[in-house]
Amino acid sequence: KQEVTQIPAALSVPEGENLVLNCSFTDSAIYNLQWFRQDPGKGLTSLLLIQSSQREQTSGRLNASLDKSSGRSTLYIAASQPGDSATYLCAVPWEGGATNKLIFGTGTLLAVQP
Amino acid sequence: EPEVTQTPSHQVTQMGQEVILRCVPISNHLYFYWYRQILGQKVEFLVSFYNNEISEKSEIFDDQFSVERPDGSNFTLKIRSTKLEDSAMYFCASSSEGHLDYTFGSGTRLTVV
Repeated sequence: KQEVTQIPAALSVPEGENLVLNCSFTDSAIYNLQWFRQDPGKGLTSLLLIQSSQREQTSGRLNASLDKSSGRSTLYIAASQPGDSATYLCAVPWEGGATNKLIFGTGTLLAVQP
Repeated sequence: EPEVTQTPSHQVTQMGQEVILRCVPISNHLYFYWYRQILGQKVEFLVSFYNNEISEKSEIFDDQFSVERPDGSNFTLKIRSTKLEDSAMYFCASSSEGHLDYTFGSGTRLTVV
């Protein structure tokens, strides 16, 4: 059974700092991993999707890496801004069944202080 | 950019009542999903739907839940007799073949009182 864990659970940083969020998964037989952003009481916005053949994916100040063999992914946020404050979720598809359901991590709640 | 649209954004219902949560997936997507998130907990898979039938459901998705695609655009989740523990945010999602464009709606917050 696939389990996805994220650390830290919460993080508070001053504006401008670079930071790393961690995601680990127990079954390395994944074909991609996604990072999502969730604002309080809102939906899930896809930030980055890394396919299993890739090691990194970048979008603006965000960089996500994937190491399947160790069951880990990191999300690097450069030069953090107060607008980055949100919960960040990682998710992997699990085809233990017949379909592409996503298994989500517990999330990291990020607060960027101005 | 194409969106998944969910209505209503917030619904309050009395315990034992039936509710229908509505979703309009992205028009060329083939796979449709419902997830839920109880406050402070993980986002959990409920059910997936493909080719006009349920393709997979979780153990949460018991007989009180049902899904339907009544026409070419809507995808609904019905909860027959709501319980207090059904209070959660319910997310609809859709994807096309290959699932690289998995897109979530903004959610319906269901409060059962």
